[in-house]
This record gives sequence, C-alpha cells and structure tokens, in this order.
Amino acid sequence: DTGVSQDPRHKITKRGQNVTFRCDPISEHNRLYWYRQTLGQGPEFLTYFQNEAQLEKSRLLSDRFSAERPKGSFSTLEIQRTEQGDSAMYLCASSLVGGFSYNEQFFGPGTRLTVL
Amino acid sequence: DAKTTQPPSMDCAEGRAANLPCNHSTISGNEYVYWYRQIHSQGPQYIIHGLKNNETNEMASLIITEDRKSSTLILPHATLRDTAVYYCIVGGNTGGFKTIFGAGTRLFVKA
Repeated sequence: DTGVSQDPRHKITKRGQNVTFRCDPISEHNRLYWYRQTLGQGPEFLTYFQNEAQLEKSRLLSDRFSAERPKGSFSTLEIQRTEQGDSAMYLCASSLVGGFSYNEQFFGPGTRLTVL
Repeated sequence: DAKTTQPPSMDCAEGRAANLPCNHSTISGNEYVYWYRQIHSQGPQYIIHGLKNNETNEMASLIITEDRKSSTLILPHATLRDTAVYYCIVGGNTGGFKTIFGAGTRLFVKA
C-alpha cells in the first residue's frame, strides 16, 4: 500500500454513460497526476495538478474528459459519453514537490474501466 | 522529453543479477534517468534515479555511461517477486515533470 487510494477499483459501464473516478493522494503531497494505461503499454500521462491548479493536460485528454482537484486534496476524473476506446486502467499518482531534490511519484492501485 | 529504448523482455535466473539496459541517446544535459517498475495488477513503483554518477540503494544499482546515452539497472540478486515490467524514463530533476513511460522491459525471474 503506497498511501494513494483510488475508488472504485473496477467500473463496468455501457457506452454513452458518464463515469467518475476518485483519487485520494498522500495527504501532504502537493502534486497529483492522472495516467491511463492500456494492455501491454506503459502508463500514458493525462494531466497533473499542483495543489488545486491543473497545470498541464495531454492531447489525449479529449473534451469528454475533465479532472478536478477542488481543495488541493482528493481529485476526480470524469469521462462523459464513454466510448469503448476509453476502456483502460486509470492510474493516479502523487508526489511532494519542493526544492531541488527529486520526489518520486507514488501510484495508486488504479481503476479499471470497461466500457461495453 | 528524451525518448528511451528498452528490450521488450528479458529472463533471469533467481538469485542471479538482472541487468536491464536502456538507451537514451537524445538525453539533454539537465535530464535525469529514472527507473520505475510495475508488478502485475499494481501501479508503478519508483526504484532509483541518477544524473551522471552511478547510484545504489536498497533495491538496485544504476550505472550510467560516461556519455549518458545509455544506462543499466542492476538487481543484484533477483527474486521471483522482481518479475515485473521495468520502465526507464528521462526527465527533469523535480517530481513535477510529466512522466513519459515507454513500453518497458518485461523481466521474468525464473526459479
């Protein structure tokens, strides 16, 4: 257990439905990241937050995807009008950024999404 | 961000050293080399990182060539629990860079 939790762990939905995932980072961590991982591939960066500010979004993050971190603590990732191509593992990670030392990212267990 | 190249898979006998290579010929002067691994059904886990000098911690050693165009992650005494996908990544020196994972190397440790 890394201290990063994600909920739910598994989600099965029908095409066209909206889904929302939650990530609770390690409490003192100021950076929070979202990644998507498909079978046989490494995680793909989606977006990250510094406290409550969303600083960067990947081109992979279409208009159907939105992420928030309203109070700089937990974060949600919403996918609207899901498509079968959205089926993947969605990973959340957090890190503590400050100074000049490297602070590794701690990953949660992921939420596996299956779109039927 | 610099790109890395890793072999898709490797085997290692239990108890032997596992040497995982990574090429990063386009690495820039201020970019570090990082290694993460991902055990099946878990999120990635940080292993080690370095800039120029070789590094060692309780998990592994990292050997970076003098020209910094390649590196090797060494697991000195591989166990069955080290079976995982190992990712070599290059990037900035803070925890804030977006981590670009490739496909990694799938290491199989065999009894």
